Amino acid sequence: SQTIHQWPATLVQPVGSPLSLECTVEGTSNPNLYWYRQAAGRGLQLLFYSVGIGQISSEVPQNLSASRPQDRQFILSSKKLLLSDSGFYLCAWSAAGGPADTQYFGPGTRLTVL
Amino acid sequence: GQQLNQSPQSMFIQEGEDVSMNCTSSSIFNTWLWYKQDPGEGPVLLIALYKAGELTSNGRLTAQFGITRKDSFLNISASIPSDVGIYFCAGQKSSQGNLIFGKGTKLSVKP
Repeated sequence: SQTIHQWPATLVQPVGSPLSLECTVEGTSNPNLYWYRQAAGRGLQLLFYSVGIGQISSEVPQNLSASRPQDRQFILSSKKLLLSDSGFYLCAWSAAGGPADTQYFGPGTRLTVL
Repeated sequence: GQQLNQSPQSMFIQEGEDVSMNCTSSSIFNTWLWYKQDPGEGPVLLIALYKAGELTSNGRLTAQFGITRKDSFLNISASIPSDVGIYFCAGQKSSQGNLIFGKGTKLSVKP
């Protein structure tokens, strides 16, 4: 069966520091991968999605970036965090080659920027 | 950008009561999904709907794909305390489109 992991679970970082959040998927090949941000426990904002290694689409311009160095690894990064980057970051996957529906979410990373 | 209007925004109900929530849009969707999110966790898929008029159940949960393809409904019967959480609808306009999420309905259940 497929599982999705996110690391770390929680993170407290100072403004201006770098960021690296990791998402890995097991039990499937060539998944579509997604990064969402959820502010204040409500609403999901799609940040990036990827249909393959090295293929990243950005939905919202910002100081975050994403990379997919391996088939089942998706990384969210920032060179300099802003206060507004605080939130709950969710990674999700969906089956390769099919519609984008039926996305399955990871447990999330709670980021607090001070 | 494209939005889904999800209502109500929050609900406070007594254990044992039935719950209804819905999502509407001005656009047509090909797929409707309903997720539940517990505090501090990722959303979990509850029900997926792929055809207009489709009515699908998952235990005490029932969801319907509106005939106009512009709305969807989720009903929870005989609510229990563990139903507490935020329920999200999500729609997909085409087979290649990304999901669009509603803003969620926060459900609170009093024992």
